[in-house]
Amino acid sequence: DAGVIQSPRHEVTEMGQEVTLRCKPISGHNSLFWYRQTMMRGLELLIYFNNNVPIDDSGMPEDRFSAKMPNASFSTLKIQPSEPRDSAVYFCASSRRTRAQHFGDGTRLSIL
Amino acid sequence: TQLLEQSPQFLSIQEGENLTVYCNSSSVFSSLQWYRQEPGEGPVLLVTVVTGGEVKKLKRLTFQFGDARKDSSLHITAAQPGDTGLYLCAGGAGNMLTFGGGTRLMVKP
Repeated sequence: DAGVIQSPRHEVTEMGQEVTLRCKPISGHNSLFWYRQTMMRGLELLIYFNNNVPIDDSGMPEDRFSAKMPNASFSTLKIQPSEPRDSAVYFCASSRRTRAQHFGDGTRLSIL
Repeated sequence: TQLLEQSPQFLSIQEGENLTVYCNSSSVFSSLQWYRQEPGEGPVLLVTVVTGGEVKKLKRLTFQFGDARKDSSLHITAAQPGDTGLYLCAGGAGNMLTFGGGTRLMVKP
């Protein structure tokens, strides 16, 4: 079975540009999570969807970040405008009711 | 905010040694999960413990959930180079997880 699929795997862009990260959760999973991982702050939850509806976005750093889940098989995390401090590895994870979260391999984002 | 503290943050040992990693919180969690993450990959679930005092074994790895469900430990017996990685504990509340800062383990041959 395919796991959580994230794209792109790597993104390098200049400050001020718009960045869009994509995630395809595991089929049948009804919860989707976006995380950010840095050496300084570890793994932080940004936003959590359940049945395509945002439930908790308290971890979204500021208005420059937005996330959507238009259907059960696709989600995006957008940063506009991007800043160097947004550089991190961004993970998407999905789960069913068992709460065991399955992670993608992440997008390594570098903002110059 | 529920916080999970892991110790030690870094651990470098020789192959064959035993080690224990700790995960502590002042909050009670309904479940506690341990993940292992390797470079360039996402965390992978190792185990979930849900009952206070519960002990689970996964080959050379032994996981324990504290009686009060506020802390957990991971013990590795006879560590091998393949155990190298970042070990993360995560406390469950509803559908959400709070992750600890991780323990970065290196096992040298």
